[in-house]
Amino acid sequence: DAGITQSPRHKVTETGTPVTLRCHQTENHRYMYWYRQDPGHGLRLIHYSYGVKDTDKGEVSDGYSVSRSKTEDFLLTLESATSSQTSVYFCAISESTYYEQYFGPGTRLTVT
Amino acid sequence: GQQLNQSPQSMFIQEGEDVSMNCTSSSIFNTWLWYKQDPGEGPVLLIALYKAGELTSNGRLTAQFGITRKDSFLNISASIPSDVGIYFCAGQLTYDKVIFGPGTSLSVIP
Repeated sequence: DAGITQSPRHKVTETGTPVTLRCHQTENHRYMYWYRQDPGHGLRLIHYSYGVKDTDKGEVSDGYSVSRSKTEDFLLTLESATSSQTSVYFCAISESTYYEQYFGPGTRLTVT
Repeated sequence: GQQLNQSPQSMFIQEGEDVSMNCTSSSIFNTWLWYKQDPGEGPVLLIALYKAGELTSNGRLTAQFGITRKDSFLNISASIPSDVGIYFCAGQLTYDKVIFGPGTSLSVIP
C-alpha cells in the first residue's frame, strides 16, 4: 500500500470555523491531490499540487485553499466552513510516468 | 464537461459467479484505471491500462483498454464475498486531468 496518511480521520465542526486537513506521504511522489466524495457526485478534484509551493485549482475549489511547504505534506484549509462542505475528503498522490493516483484513507468532515 | 458512464450501476450476484462491468466515454483517454472502494476506506487501485487494446490481469481480475480509447471493461472471475464494494473506473489524460466514473456497486450473496 502507498504510504499515505490523513489527519484527522473524523471531524465535526461548526459553521464559520476554520478547518485544516492534513495529508502526509512517505513515497516522495511529486503530485498530490485533494478530492471530495459526495453521493451522486462521485470524486471531484478540489486542488492539486505539482511540486513544493506549486498548486492549482480543480473543479470545485471555491471555499478551499491549499499549501505545500514540503514534498510530504499537503494541507487543505476551509477558511470558514459551511454545511455544504460536509463530505468525505480524500488525498491522493501520483508520480510520473503514468500518473496513476493512489488514495489515502479519507477524512469524514461534518459541518453543523 | 467530460463524463464517464459506468454500467451496471449495481449488481447482485451469487458467490462463484463471474462479473462484468464497463465504463464508456465520449472522450479519448491515455490511461484507464480501475479502483475498488470498501465502506469507510479510500479507493484502492486494482489495475492500470496504458495502451489501446491492452488486456491486463491481477489475480481473478481482468481489465481491457478499449481499442477506440473511449471505453474499458473489468471482469471478475469466481466472485467471493470479499469482492463486495464499489468499483470505479477513471479515464486519465495527464496528471491533472482525471475523470472518475460514478461507480458500480457489487454485492455477493454467499
